Amino acid sequence: GGIITQTPKFLIGQEGQKLTLKCQQNFNHDTMYWYRQDSGKGLRLIYYSITENDLQKGDLSEGYDASREKKSSFSLTVTSAQKNEMAVFLCASSIAGGRQNTLYFGAGTRLSVL
Amino acid sequence: GDSVTQTEGQVALSEEDFLTIHCNYSASGYPALFWYVQYPGEGPQFLFRASRDKEKGSSRGFEATYDKGTTSFHLRKASVQESDSAVYYCALGDRTNTGKLTFGDGTVLTVKP
Repeated sequence: GGIITQTPKFLIGQEGQKLTLKCQQNFNHDTMYWYRQDSGKGLRLIYYSITENDLQKGDLSEGYDASREKKSSFSLTVTSAQKNEMAVFLCASSIAGGRQNTLYFGAGTRLSVL
Repeated sequence: GDSVTQTEGQVALSEEDFLTIHCNYSASGYPALFWYVQYPGEGPQFLFRASRDKEKGSSRGFEATYDKGTTSFHLRKASVQESDSAVYYCALGDRTNTGKLTFGDGTVLTVKP
């Protein structure tokens, strides 16, 4: 089996700060995803990457940048943290695209902005 | 665009009760449908999926049947346990083969002993 490791587990930022979240997977999966989870709401897709150096925008990409420099890692940057923002950012990976694709998730990074 | 609606935001049951969580989708064609479960402090875990009309998916005593006619994929379990307490997400697969999933808002299940 494999694992997805997200760092840091908790992130406290200041309004306007640029913040970077990291994700590593050892499944050797091609595709990786970043989802945002807000309390009482579903998961919303921010960015995904089909392969190394590929980036595709999801529904919630505004205010974020992403980077996929290696197959095993996928980083997400909050370009300017919003005051009182609280959310969980979830990284996931899958073998490849496909309509029956199974996603494997990390435990998340919990963001709080003061 | 594609969407998923979970009717219940929260469900509270006692052990051995019957569980139903309603999931309806809006999409053309035959999208794959999924259930994921999320325990506190963890990421969502794949429970099972179905991709054809009338196909039943199942795992760990949970099951759901793909119904194209009613665009539904309701989650059911005959007898819940306290350990089933978690958040359950219904999700819809992307038709363009990117592997993306569209999730419902989730249902918080609390099972009392």
